Amino acid sequence: QKEVEQNSGPLSVPEGAIASLNCTYSDRGSQSFFWYRQYSGKSPELIMFIYSNGDKEDGRFTAQLNKASQYVSLLIRDSQPSDSATYLCAVNPNYGNNRLAFGKGNQVVVIP
Amino acid sequence: DGGITQSPKYLFRKEGQNVTLSCEQNLNHDAMYWYRQDPGQGLRLIYYSQIVNDFQKGDIAEGYSVSREKKESFPLTVTSAQKNPTAFYLCASSLTSGHYNEQFFGPGTRLTVL
Repeated sequence: QKEVEQNSGPLSVPEGAIASLNCTYSDRGSQSFFWYRQYSGKSPELIMFIYSNGDKEDGRFTAQLNKASQYVSLLIRDSQPSDSATYLCAVNPNYGNNRLAFGKGNQVVVIP
Repeated sequence: DGGITQSPKYLFRKEGQNVTLSCEQNLNHDAMYWYRQDPGQGLRLIYYSQIVNDFQKGDIAEGYSVSREKKESFPLTVTSAQKNPTAFYLCASSLTSGHYNEQFFGPGTRLTVL
């Protein structure tokens, strides 16, 4: 089983709708969870991090963490064309160091 | 301006050549990292350093070497032993080396082997 999995294919959402992205991880001892946004040809940009079970909101973004089920989600409310990008989920497994394990990413396309 | 810089933005290498990618940060971060990204793939860790004069191999260190002589700098050398070096190389840094380590990325270097 891969450390971090993002299985959904490209996600197309109408402008103004909610985009929902999911990520599962294999190491039950993982401590910290991150969402990065990556525009085509650019480097990843950190948009959210979450460390505790529950929801964390920042503007139009909400991260949801469920450690018992080993998944972390990202919701994008009121989706805008500028949200069209690839979203990478990253997890810090409990290996005693600070490496991050990344999923392959989910592409989001917001349709005007 | 605080941030992470990488140079060059684009790099072309001939077969058998060693090339060095530069990464500098002025964020006063302790930890620095090198990742490789291939098309349609997630990031894979090459090397990381938690403190000056110390570094550890990541998941795909073969064919690469690093140094950390200064806190601000973490150059990556892609050697001729790396058989498939064409990729997007990303340098990152974080304030601490613990679990709660938000990593921030530089703009990247795109390496192409001719």
